[in-house]
Amino acid sequence: DADVTQTPRNRITKTGKRIMLECSQTKGHDRMYWYRQDPGLGLRLIYYSFDVKDINKGEISDGYSVSRQAQAKFSLSLESAIPNQTALYFCATSDARTGAGNTIYFGEGSWLTVV
Amino acid sequence: DAKTTQPPSMDCAEGRAANLPCNHSTISGNEYVYWYRQIHSQGPQYIIHGLKNNETNEMASLIITEDRKSSTLILPHATLRDTAVYYCIVRVHTGNQFYFGTGTSLTVIP
Repeated sequence: DADVTQTPRNRITKTGKRIMLECSQTKGHDRMYWYRQDPGLGLRLIYYSFDVKDINKGEISDGYSVSRQAQAKFSLSLESAIPNQTALYFCATSDARTGAGNTIYFGEGSWLTVV
Repeated sequence: DAKTTQPPSMDCAEGRAANLPCNHSTISGNEYVYWYRQIHSQGPQYIIHGLKNNETNEMASLIITEDRKSSTLILPHATLRDTAVYYCIVRVHTGNQFYFGTGTSLTVIP
């Protein structure tokens, strides 16, 4: 089983609809992230959370919101989806307790298409 | 945040060493250099990281210049499965964010 699980893996939704992407992890990490990747481009940080009570905006947070329901769960919402939010979305985790050299671990990605 | 500069693409013959460069001239003293790779559209995979000294693991070697303004990831014997996009990241220590650029697309040629 994957340590970082994203659901759904693929979703097609209509413009204006609300869509939620969910992420859960079994690694026991305290930090969680949501990234977006557009075709041919690198990953861009949307939101990140250092613990349940800490939520921070990343590079491209407009049009998105997040919820850290528990240490192991971090969901990303598009309140009113638009076509330019069509992308591949990744959830990731890291553990601050391992110190400055800690690494980040990614889920398998969620393909979202807004039509 | 310290930024990185990588060539957009590179080719390497199968069985030869692949040397992927990265410039990070604004790196600060407590920032680490990380390398990740992404195969097709899978989640990026951690390869290696370092602060000052050269590092080696089962996947690759990381060579960091003495002034820390650049580094090179070395895949000693590239295989077709190493074809991927390779990202060089300089980590913001206090914030713990990981910012990815566009990386280098490495193609290993038979």
